[in-house]
Amino acid sequence: DIQMTQSPSSVSASVGDRVTISCRASHGLGTSLAWYQQKPGKAPNLLIFGASNLQSGVPSRFSGSGSGTDFTLTISSLQPEDFATYYCQQTNTFPLTFGGGSRVEIK
Amino acid sequence: QVQLLQSGAEVKKPGASVKVSCKASGYTFTNYGIFWVRQAPGQGLEWMGWISGYNGNTKYAERFQARVTMTADTSTTTAYMELRNLRSDDTAVYYCARSGQTSLAAKWLDPWGQGTLVTVSS
Repeated sequence: DIQMTQSPSSVSASVGDRVTISCRASHGLGTSLAWYQQKPGKAPNLLIFGASNLQSGVPSRFSGSGSGTDFTLTISSLQPEDFATYYCQQTNTFPLTFGGGSRVEIK
Repeated sequence: QVQLLQSGAEVKKPGASVKVSCKASGYTFTNYGIFWVRQAPGQGLEWMGWISGYNGNTKYAERFQARVTMTADTSTTTAYMELRNLRSDDTAVYYCARSGQTSLAAKWLDPWGQGTLVTVSS
């Protein structure tokens, strides 16, 4: 199975800050990676697929980059509604696997 | 719009079975697969399996292989996930989600159902 490791597990930031979250895969994925946002008590919501493709309706302050084993999710200017937990997921092969999550908290 | 509507919360005793439904609307059911993912309280996301809306082919996570069955009813555009021999550590929110695109290569999940809480307790 492909192991997905996210860092940091938690980050404190202020509105307007630039936030980056990293995701590392145990095997090369090409660009087969997705990012999700999850708010408490809600289902996850797709942000990015194919490592860098912004899902329709997702604000442009979110961006994804990377290929192979190292990937990054960037929020260019953190907004109040962005405080949530973010997960990466490899979409390359079964079994699908997720990172452990990165919680973005208010500083 | 595309929507997945899941069945309501369940409380089960250890050793029992649960069957969660996922009613799809707003798209051609047979063109996409359905994934099942669960999330234990305070924990991360765990992939359980996938079923093709076209022909019912399935792929299960190895740890659930012996206890899970996923089915899809094209006449009602509803997918089902049955988990047997429940244990207390199966207590979780269970989500269904559609594949992001029609191709099986598109193994990203969008959109998601609202989730179904399954509580296993004696």
